[in-house]
Amino acid sequence: QVQLQESGPGLVRPSGTLSLTCGVSGDSFSTYNWWAWVRQPPGKGLEWVGEVNHSGSTNYNPSLKSRVTVSLDRSRSQFSLRLTSVTAADTAVYYCARGQTLPDNLSYYVLDVWGHGTTVTVSS
Amino acid sequence: QSVLTQPPSVSAAPRQRVTVSCFGSSSNIGSNGVNWYQQLPGMPPELLIYYDDLLPSGVSDRFSGSRSGTSASLTISGLQSEDEADYYCSAWDDSLNGVVFGGGTKLTVL
Repeated sequence: QVQLQESGPGLVRPSGTLSLTCGVSGDSFSTYNWWAWVRQPPGKGLEWVGEVNHSGSTNYNPSLKSRVTVSLDRSRSQFSLRLTSVTAADTAVYYCARGQTLPDNLSYYVLDVWGHGTTVTVSS
Repeated sequence: QSVLTQPPSVSAAPRQRVTVSCFGSSSNIGSNGVNWYQQLPGMPPELLIYYDDLLPSGVSDRFSGSRSGTSASLTISGLQSEDEADYYCSAWDDSLNGVVFGGGTKLTVL
């Protein structure tokens, strides 16, 4: 059974860099999986941040693209999020999730496994 | 403002049926499968329906989904108090090259 666990600082200073890691157990980073970050500001809805696949290819939310990096470390069974130049608007619960695709169905994409989430507050 | 549009709230009495709508466009719901997530208070989202109408193992068959054109819907029958939660629709968007979500619908069981 796949399990995901986020970790990282709960407080980041404005204009600083937010760095989170997601530990993965029970999955071998197969070809058809993507590893994603989703965030949820307090009292608001879900926002997809970005993702990385087994080969290091990435996709990012256009509204965050200039500040976001998602990377994969297969040797440590983890993937990471880096968000630069943070402001109070980046305060949120950050979830890591697995995105499943199928080789013969381009319309199939589902975030099927989620971590418990970690709260990040941007404040001085 | 979310790419997918959901009603902010819906409500119904126990044992009744409720439907949550989700409206998108040709680049997301019109082209790709829709997924639904249930988020209980203080908990992470949990997959409820995937690829329009498929139920993950362990999910009650009181939940069902459908997609037509650029809209999708989630139906919950035989409402129970434990169904009170926020519900989100989601799909891949070919234009944005990423995942988009609806703004979420809060279900209240009267």
